[in-house]
Amino acid sequence: AQTVTQSQPEMSVQEAETVTLSCTYDTSESDYYLFWYKQPPSRQMILVIRQEAYKQQNATENRFSVNFQKAAKSFSLKISDSQLGDAAMYFCAYTTDAGGTSYGKLTFGQGTILTVHP
Amino acid sequence: DVKVTQSSRYLVKRTGEKVFLECVQDMDHENMFWYRQDPGLGLRLIYFSYDVKMKEKGDIPEGYSVSREKKERFSLILESASTNQTSMYLCASSLIEPYEQYFGPGTRLTVT
Repeated sequence: AQTVTQSQPEMSVQEAETVTLSCTYDTSESDYYLFWYKQPPSRQMILVIRQEAYKQQNATENRFSVNFQKAAKSFSLKISDSQLGDAAMYFCAYTTDAGGTSYGKLTFGQGTILTVHP
Repeated sequence: DVKVTQSSRYLVKRTGEKVFLECVQDMDHENMFWYRQDPGLGLRLIYFSYDVKMKEKGDIPEGYSVSREKKERFSLILESASTNQTSMYLCASSLIEPYEQYFGPGTRLTVT
């Protein structure tokens, strides 16, 4: 069974600085997708960034980028120029379409609470 | 914009009651999911549906059932609510690919 581990229950960063959230996963599949989701306090979960395992290049979305290390099964999220609005719970998630029966089911990590200090 | 709505933001029920949580999506997504979110455990999949009237168990289906009579609506049913089902319940929907899931606002259920 696939597992996703976020070893940092809480992280904090000063506004305008950079922070990296860690995620490791375990899978025997070669084709899969990894995601970072953001859940602000009392607000809906939204997708931050997505990485396809077959792509060598790390995904980037504005101030958010990932460091995808396939061999190490590591998928960290870097937030540059942190803003107060980045404060949220962040979840790492995994899915695979191997066998065509996954239907995109996500396996989530435990989450990391990010605090941004002004 | 994709919109996923859930019938209630907060719900308080008594032990033994039958509880219905409803989820509606407006983007014609094939797949729909129910998760529960607990501190330190992340999100855990209860049930999912990949087509109308088609459903499969997730990782923690015990004590729950689901219904999907129409493509846009996916209901989670607690047959006899228990205190250990006090949790945040999140509904999500997605296309077959690229598997990005869109979430509803969640229902915080308290069973007393």
